[in-house]
Amino acid sequence: QVQLQQSGPGLVKPSQTLSLTCAISGDTVSSNSAAWNWIRQSPSRGLEWLGRTYYRSKWYNDYAVSVKSRVSVNPDTSKNQFSLQLNSVTPEDTAVYYCARSRGDLDVWGQGTTVTVSS
Amino acid sequence: QSVLTQPPSASGTPGQRVTISCSGSSSNIGSNTVNWFQQLPGTAPKLLIYSNNQRPSGVPDRFSGSKSGTSASLAISGLQSEDEADYYCAAWDDSLNGHWVFGGGTKLTVL
Repeated sequence: QVQLQQSGPGLVKPSQTLSLTCAISGDTVSSNSAAWNWIRQSPSRGLEWLGRTYYRSKWYNDYAVSVKSRVSVNPDTSKNQFSLQLNSVTPEDTAVYYCARSRGDLDVWGQGTTVTVSS
Repeated sequence: QSVLTQPPSASGTPGQRVTISCSGSSSNIGSNTVNWFQQLPGTAPKLLIYSNNQRPSGVPDRFSGSKSGTSASLAISGLQSEDEADYYCAAWDDSLNGHWVFGGGTKLTVL
């Protein structure tokens, strides 16, 4: 059974970098049939996909246009996990952040991390 | 403003059948399969329907999905009190180099 376990701080100061990690069990980050996504949810923006990383003989990344200049999703094969970095955060980035696996469908989700951007 | 359009609320009495609609466009629902998620308060979305009409193991057959053109629907038959939750549709969108898009969610109330 695939499980995703998220970790990272719940409070980030404005202009700083939000960093979250998603540890994978039951699958591998370098799977040739999966992609590893970050999604956030807030009352004002609803569910919003941020980006993904996946391996198909080499590593690829895709990012949402809305955050493309500030976001990075990276795999860590040594720890079988992937991470999210969102730079220059503002209070608008306050949300619940989820990691999720996709194999054509978003079939497995992490437990969610509430991140508040505040000084 | 979500890319996929859902009604904000739906309701029904125990035992009834309710449907929730999800409207998109040719670049998302019209080209790709639809996921439906159930979200209980304080929890992560749970995959309810994948590939338009397939149920993951453990999801009761009271839940069914369908798709036609650029729209999709989730039907819940034999409504139960524990079905009270938020429901979201999602699909991959081929525009802008590709990205996942979601509906704004439908709050289902069991009366």
